Amino acid sequence: QQQVKQSPQSLIVQKGGISIINCAYENTAFDYFPWYQQFPGKGPALLIAIRPDVSEKKEGRFTISFNKSAKQFSLHIMDSQPGDSATYFCAAVGGATNKLIFGTGTLLAVQP
Amino acid sequence: DAGVTQSPTHLIKTRGQHVTLRCSPISGHKSVSWYQQVLGQGPQFIFQYYEKEERGRGNFPDRFSARQFPNYSSELNVNALLLGDSALYLCASSLTGTDTQYFGPGTRLTVL
Repeated sequence: QQQVKQSPQSLIVQKGGISIINCAYENTAFDYFPWYQQFPGKGPALLIAIRPDVSEKKEGRFTISFNKSAKQFSLHIMDSQPGDSATYFCAAVGGATNKLIFGTGTLLAVQP
Repeated sequence: DAGVTQSPTHLIKTRGQHVTLRCSPISGHKSVSWYQQVLGQGPQFIFQYYEKEERGRGNFPDRFSARQFPNYSSELNVNALLLGDSALYLCASSLTGTDTQYFGPGTRLTVL
């Protein structure tokens, strides 16, 4: 129940295309859902986050869509660029410890 | 302002040895969390500290311990190192422990 399932494991998108990464959770106590971007050899960097009282949040080219009833959320990267090539992690937070529960990651490659 | 800093950047140890990893949070942040990221996986929660008190502990053996100092910096200690402890150890800081967590660059630990 503490898991966050993420798909796909890897994704190849052409420059200018849309990248879509999906996540699903079981624990209804989760109340904060961030997405992190990680480049090789670096720590994860917060990209965008959403709370379950909102169905969509957009920041620049990045959009989170949230479906509370289905317990699913997704990251859309519009106009994908080669510089977006990185590993993306969804995460969920909730409960007493406020620990981040991470998905397994998606390796995105944007081809020029 | 400087972000989360961690030291050392890289570390090589042999089985059975002990290691200490250090983290300095973002100025003004009072909470530090530690995560272990094995290659190809998402980070796994180890500990969270707030105002020098342990707030949460993940599913890690007692060989792992941590503490937070009055200046809010933190140490992660691992005793009796095993090959399986080889990973990127990430520190994240937040204002109160219940808000957004910002990650440092990590310490890459290799156990031979």
